[in-house]
Amino acid sequence: KQEVTQIPAALSVPEGENLVLNCSFTDSAIYNLQWFRQDPGKGLTSLLLIQSSQREQTSGRLNASLDKSSGRSTLYIAASQPGDSATYLCAVSGANNLFFGTGTRLTVIP
Amino acid sequence: GAGVSQSPSNKVTEKGKDVELRCDPISGHTALYWYRQRLGQGLEFLIYFQGNSAPDKSGLPSDRFSAERTGESVSTLTIQRTQQEDSAVYLCASSEGAIQETQYFGPGTRLLVL
Repeated sequence: KQEVTQIPAALSVPEGENLVLNCSFTDSAIYNLQWFRQDPGKGLTSLLLIQSSQREQTSGRLNASLDKSSGRSTLYIAASQPGDSATYLCAVSGANNLFFGTGTRLTVIP
Repeated sequence: GAGVSQSPSNKVTEKGKDVELRCDPISGHTALYWYRQRLGQGLEFLIYFQGNSAPDKSGLPSDRFSAERTGESVSTLTIQRTQQEDSAVYLCASSEGAIQETQYFGPGTRLLVL
């Protein structure tokens, strides 16, 4: 069974810093990898989706990379802002399932 | 347009009672998913509906859990004889097509079983 791990579990950074969140998965036979953001009391918001044939995707200050062969993905956030504070989840897609990591709780300190 | 909506937003029930959770997907989305998120844990896939195909129920934790979907619209997740370990946030998502496409999530239903 696919297992998805996210490190660190929690991260606090001062405003303006660049940061990297890590995601690893055990089975490289994936269709894609998605990064989501979860705010307290709200559902998930999709941030980036990387197809298995791609190596990275960018959206604004966010850049996600995928190394399928090594089972790793990173989410890079540039010039962090207090509004970026949330839990970030990665999820890998199989044929009929989506496996989530437990998330990294990010706090950006003003 | 409207996003995915879920009701109720919160539900408190007594152990042994049945509960029904509702999900309204984004109009036109053929795929619908249910997940469970226990406190401090990751999302756990429960069930996946794709169009008129038979749903993938491989993630349902026990036979107390069942889900239905009417065509490509509303879905209900039913938990019979609830147990305290069923307490969690139940999230619904939908996507335009297959599971490999971007999923849009609802705000969830927080279930507390006393």
